[in-house]
Formats: sequence, structure tokens, C-alpha cells
Amino acid sequence: NAGVTQTPKFQVLKTGQSMTLQCAQDMNHNSMYWYRQDPGMGLRLIYYSASEGTTDKGEVPNGYNVSRLNKREFSLRLESAAPSQTSVYFCGSGRSGANVLTFGAGSRLTVL
Amino acid sequence: GQQLNQSPQSMFIQEGEDVSMNCTSSSIFNTWLWYKQDPGEGPVLLIALYKAGELTSNGRLTAQFGITRKDSFLNISASIPSDVGIYFCAGLNMDSNYQLIWGAGTKLIIKP
Repeated sequence: NAGVTQTPKFQVLKTGQSMTLQCAQDMNHNSMYWYRQDPGMGLRLIYYSASEGTTDKGEVPNGYNVSRLNKREFSLRLESAAPSQTSVYFCGSGRSGANVLTFGAGSRLTVL
Repeated sequence: GQQLNQSPQSMFIQEGEDVSMNCTSSSIFNTWLWYKQDPGEGPVLLIALYKAGELTSNGRLTAQFGITRKDSFLNISASIPSDVGIYFCAGLNMDSNYQLIWGAGTKLIIKP
């Protein structure tokens, strides 16, 4: 049972480049989330999808877009990467609500 | 954005010692959660608390939902080397079932 799978695990971008982080879950969960984790801080919510077909902004959505492709997949896109977006990104999923989330192993992004 | 105050930031302990950490908030929460993160991995849920005053155990871990609904505590008894990692508290308030608010983490280090 894979749980939550994120790709890629590592990525280096130059300022202005674009990229998409992929996330897939195989637990039939309804809600999916993208967080970023910076040193010395808790996770901060970028976007979430309460159910297939819906997406909503979290605490730090600027510079990002998301797509809930189907019930399993939730992607995060950086259209024009900036050094401030250097971070570790975590995708999570939950059956309903955010009270019990399963997370992927993370995607470490560096923007030069 | 709103954050939880989690303390201590880090702890150096001897194997076999008991550990205590806590989280406080200026606002009321409906749900308190405790996660653990190992290096290179995503957070993993340890304990979920849903009711003021609730005391819940998971093996050597015990967590409590504060009676004021503004705080929570996590205790680890008889620590072992695999307890090393970062422990996060997280909470859900009445504003949203989807937007978890996270503490900055407590890093647990076991002295050799």
C-alpha cells in the first residue's frame, strides 16, 4: 500500500522557470493538501482540495496554482519560480477534513 | 497567519528519561493533533484529541486536550533512541475543518 506518493523528491530550478509537483494517493481519500515546510517553522498550507472538483487557497497561495485532476491526484504548479519558494513541499490526504492526514515523503525544491 | 506556540524548541535527553512538550494558542480549538517527523519523511500522526479534557495514550505516548481548549500536552515515557525526531502539534478551530494550524515543532535529541 503506497499511501501518498510525491514526485519529484528533489528539484533545482532557476528563477523564472516553471515546474509541477505531482501527488497521488491510493487510499480513496476525499481531501488533499499541499503544504510547505521551512526551517524553524511549522507546515503552512498552500492550497487544499476538500473533494474532487474543488480547490481553495490556504495561508500562503501566492505564486502557486493547483489542479485536482481526479480523486487520486493533486498537483502543485509554480509558474515562475522565485528564490523565496525554496522549501520542502508536502502533499497530504484525508478521508474528510484535515483531522487525520497521511503525508508523502516530501519534495525538496531549490530555486537559484 | 495564526500559529501555535510550541515549546520547548529542542530537548536533549538521556535514553530512559521522560519527555514533556506542550502547545498553546490564543484561540479555542476543536481538535488537537500530535505528529512526528523523521528526517527525510513526512509527518506521521501519533495521537488525535477531540474533546476538552481528553487524555489519550498510544504506547509510551500520552497526550491531553487542555480543559480550556487552548492548549495540549504530549508526554513520552522512558524514551528510546527511535523517539528522536521532530514532534509537531496541530489544531483545527471552528473556522475550518480543512485548515490545520501547526506549531513550529520540538526537536528531540537523545544524548549518547
